[in-house]
Amino acid sequence: SAVISQKPSRDICQRGTSLTIQCQVDSQVTMMFWYRQQPGQSLTLIATANQGSEATYESGFVIDKFPISRPNLTFSTLTVSNMSPEDSSIYLCSVVHGGQETQYFGPGTRLLVL
Amino acid sequence: GESVGLHLPTLSVQEGDNSIINCAYSNSASDYFIWYKQESGKGPQFIIDIRSNMDKRQGQRVTVLLNKTVKHLSLQIAATQPGDSAVYFCAERYQGGKLIFGQGTELSVKP
Repeated sequence: SAVISQKPSRDICQRGTSLTIQCQVDSQVTMMFWYRQQPGQSLTLIATANQGSEATYESGFVIDKFPISRPNLTFSTLTVSNMSPEDSSIYLCSVVHGGQETQYFGPGTRLLVL
Repeated sequence: GESVGLHLPTLSVQEGDNSIINCAYSNSASDYFIWYKQESGKGPQFIIDIRSNMDKRQGQRVTVLLNKTVKHLSLQIAATQPGDSAVYFCAERYQGGKLIFGQGTELSVKP
């Protein structure tokens, strides 16, 4: 499986500010996804990060709030914009290797918004 | 929209016993299913998967059963150990790669 790292691992932010989360993979992957996991809950897909094009967002998530970049096949960023306490969650990136089906997850970024 | 749900939110078992975690899914078009284990402070860890053309798959101490007739998925853990304590999520794949996750079951293993 791929080695996936995320930065930062955790952060405490003030409302109204923005935070950019990085996801780095040690090998080229075909698909990258961003998920949110609110406290005590399951994972919800935010968007699919498409290499070289705009991300595909799920219902309830918009680009202005969660802009995503994917400049190459090993790296992606998710920005949480104009944060409010409701954005306090774990944000996770996941990847799928070409030819495989399994989706592997990074360690997550734990965000607390005050 | 359609969702994946779990029958039991919490499960407590004695060390050495077998554990069974259940999951109901509603999307008949889903073609692939995965079980993940999430320990506190970590991301979900892949345990085992199964394609929709199979009804059983075994790994090391774990078995996944798929019943498409009733849209039911289960994870069996043999000889449960304290290190198995975690939250377990089932997930179904649809629309070319997107996963829908179940609510999660917290497994607690008593020594």
